Amino acid sequence: LAKTTQPISMDSYEGQEVNITCSHNNIATNDYITWYQQFPSQGPRFIIQGYKTKVTNEVASLFIPADRKSSTLSLPRVSLSDTAVYYCLVGLAGYKLSFGAGTTVTVRA
Amino acid sequence: DADVTQTPRNRITKTGKRIMLECSQTKGHDRMYWYRQDPGLGLRLIYYSFDVKDINKGEISDGYSVSRQAQAKFSLSLESAIPNQTALYFCATQEGGYNSPLHFGNGTRLTVT
Repeated sequence: LAKTTQPISMDSYEGQEVNITCSHNNIATNDYITWYQQFPSQGPRFIIQGYKTKVTNEVASLFIPADRKSSTLSLPRVSLSDTAVYYCLVGLAGYKLSFGAGTTVTVRA
Repeated sequence: DADVTQTPRNRITKTGKRIMLECSQTKGHDRMYWYRQDPGLGLRLIYYSFDVKDINKGEISDGYSVSRQAQAKFSLSLESAIPNQTALYFCATQEGGYNSPLHFGNGTRLTVT
């Protein structure tokens, strides 16, 4: 099971770009990298997924270097409503996957 | 995700009581999961099911049991509730495939007194 490491918390201001880096040194060849967002008292919500290089959707971008040992979630021009916990998951190795503590992003006015 | 419904949303129960949390989905997904969330600990996997006849233990299955009554329904039971089972419980579904995203319900907040 690929272990992931991400910062516990990050602070930002409205309108700034937020970049959260996740380390996953022992990622397997067939593992994808998936990010989720969770607001208080709600279930996590899928944001974006990628395998290599760059993926972009209407919410975020995901940058994955060639060695795939890390990935960076980029949230452009954040607003107060982007305050949430963000989780990085790698694969579902045997489907025995638990989420880590994630990164708490706080956006201030 | 409105397609994954958990009931009840909140529940207070006493130590020693048996309690069932229910999850139903309209997404038609075969795979279903139960997670528990405690402050600062992320989500930990309790049980998961790949189809009606397949049930698997997760990281923290002790004190819990599950029932997959149909493709759309996956229930979690606490046989004899204890205070340290006070937590937020989430059900999730997965369309299929090793890397497919999970779709979560809005959770059940359980308090055991």
